[in-house]
Amino acid sequence: GPKVLQIPSHQIIDMGQMVTLNCDPVSNHLYFYWYKQILGQQMEFLVNFYNGKVMEKSKLFKDQFSVERPDGSYFTLKIQPTALEDSAVYFCASSLDNSGNTLYFGEGSRLIVV
Amino acid sequence: QQQVRQSPQSLTVWEGETAILNCSYEDSTFNYFPWYQQFPGEGPALLISIRSVSDKKEDGRFTIFFNKREKKLSLHITDSQPGDSATYFCAAITNSGTYQRFGTGTKLQVVP
Repeated sequence: GPKVLQIPSHQIIDMGQMVTLNCDPVSNHLYFYWYKQILGQQMEFLVNFYNGKVMEKSKLFKDQFSVERPDGSYFTLKIQPTALEDSAVYFCASSLDNSGNTLYFGEGSRLIVV
Repeated sequence: QQQVRQSPQSLTVWEGETAILNCSYEDSTFNYFPWYQQFPGEGPALLISIRSVSDKKEDGRFTIFFNKREKKLSLHITDSQPGDSATYFCAAITNSGTYQRFGTGTKLQVVP
């Protein structure tokens, strides 16, 4: 089936450093998402992105977070500076549209902030 | 505010039994409910979904029962197999929604 690729699969960084998580969404998909999962529990919505713009973001999407997809390349989530509570698995997802179509998730990027 | 809730948090059944996973929601405008299956170390993957115009959706051993009046759904997994051991998420979205809201998840273990 369609694949969403995420790079890196895991990363350990010092608190205060910057991290960029990369996502290669399904090729013909138009909507992109980041979700945050802690300890295998609930998937928390962070942000979604369409046509070069953020459509909606949650309270978890702090000012230190940003997303972009320059010229159809990777869809990225940047955290600068990182905090201890940013430790989690970040999942990228993409969909053809946002009216209820299936979300296709990557395998996640495990971020550990020390 | 938790808009989509699931119970139980964890469930253990014997191989061959029927596992019943419950989901409830608050927003009556939700009209699409996908269920995702997540194995450890992987991202969630769509298992089965239902729209609010239906009260039942079946796909092999997996069946969703939907009660719009009570704002509840359940996922029934018949003849459970050890390979079904995973975490199951109920999600919901409205017609005009921009993202799917996920429930708290149910971790299912099927014992041989």
